[in-house]
Amino acid sequence: NAGVTQTPKFQVLKTGQSMTLQCAQDMNHEYMSWYRQDPGMGLRLIHYSVGAGITDQGEVPNGYNVSRSTTEDFPLRLLSAAPSQTSVYFCASSAQGRVETQYFGPGTRLLVL
Amino acid sequence: RKEVEQDPGPFNVPEGATVAFNCTYSNSASQSFFWYRQDCRKEPKLLMSVYSSGNEDGRFTAQLNRASQYISLLIRDSKLSDSATYLCVVNSDSWGKLQFGAGTQVVVTP
Repeated sequence: NAGVTQTPKFQVLKTGQSMTLQCAQDMNHEYMSWYRQDPGMGLRLIHYSVGAGITDQGEVPNGYNVSRSTTEDFPLRLLSAAPSQTSVYFCASSAQGRVETQYFGPGTRLLVL
Repeated sequence: RKEVEQDPGPFNVPEGATVAFNCTYSNSASQSFFWYRQDCRKEPKLLMSVYSSGNEDGRFTAQLNRASQYISLLIRDSKLSDSATYLCVVNSDSWGKLQFGAGTQVVVTP
């Protein structure tokens, strides 16, 4: 199993550009989520999904969209990048009823200029 | 106020020594508690769950104090490989929208 994969690993954007961060898992997990990690802040939940076709907002959803058309994939879209979105983004998945065991992807480091 | 607070450290620990640190949480309705480990520039990984009665996993001991709303992690006989940031994680929600602390950095020195 590859586990949770994320692409790209690094990205530099200009203010106003849009992009999609890809996330995929091959563990057949129902739950998937996106976090951002900033220095001194801890991981903050952006959006999450409890299954294909179902998504909901987390703590910091503004400026981001998600969709979950399949169990495997959970892309995160930045609509119009802002310098405040410079961060490390982690995608995670977990099996139903096993929320404590979240499997994280390797992260995407995003710099918005 | 943050929901989960941790001393950021770093805790500089000689190899073989014991180190302990706490994490406080603000939501008294929190249901479950965990410690994750994050190596530099890597993803977090579950280290251990924290049970009401306290629990050990090898050299690691976790404790929960619901009355004072904190959890603790103790590492005995520290190894160089224990150098990492330890994230306190609290689940206050039936789905499991986990709240992460900012982490406590531990540096084990030879």
